[in-house]
Amino acid sequence: GAGVSQSPRYKVAKRGQDVALRCDPISGHVSLFWYQQALGQGPEFLTYFQNEAQLDKSGLPSDRFFAERPEGSVSTLKIQRTQQEDSAVYLCASSTPWGARTDTQYFGPGTRLTVL
Amino acid sequence: SQQGEEDPQALSIQEGENATMNCSYKTSINNLQWYRQNSGRGLVHLILIRSNEREKHSGRLRVTLDTSKKSSSLLITASRAADTASYFCATDASVQGAQKLVFGQGTRLTINP
Repeated sequence: GAGVSQSPRYKVAKRGQDVALRCDPISGHVSLFWYQQALGQGPEFLTYFQNEAQLDKSGLPSDRFFAERPEGSVSTLKIQRTQQEDSAVYLCASSTPWGARTDTQYFGPGTRLTVL
Repeated sequence: SQQGEEDPQALSIQEGENATMNCSYKTSINNLQWYRQNSGRGLVHLILIRSNEREKHSGRLRVTLDTSKKSSSLLITASRAADTASYFCATDASVQGAQKLVFGQGTRLTINP
């Protein structure tokens, strides 16, 4: 596709609900990243996939957060039993095939999650 | 936790003036990147400078990197109203693989017409 797309763009959840955020990376991009951006802050790394393998999930804040990329393209970030502190913009990024190391990550528009 | 610190946190200048933003970081890096974020939108990649480079240009952008001081600067020349945005530096300090980026808190730039 032309760029990274994310859906939904906005999500309002009641505390305790489960949510699922979707990311469609640029076609052919092997690497996929999730970041969380709190209001007024820079993005913070959550997790990283190379194809379908989740190679780094060190940034996931709790076991309520779960990400998957079963076929190596589309990825879903799931948050269970949402809390108010989960309110943030969730950004997805993809980058060029493994080994190229151009290192540029291309970001989607993000999903703004508000937990009431 | 965030590695980078941007300075200033906010900058307001007149259209046509130059804008300079600084970024400091803590650990050795492979490269440093600058991104722009307009309100409510995603991040747009501006420029990447590798650890063995000292200066890089792209259009009206000039980036410098001083690895001895662990700092970088972004200069935007002849600013335009459309440059109004938040600017973030991000460092890639990965040892192998992941290319995980660590972002600063950003500089909010306002260009006054």
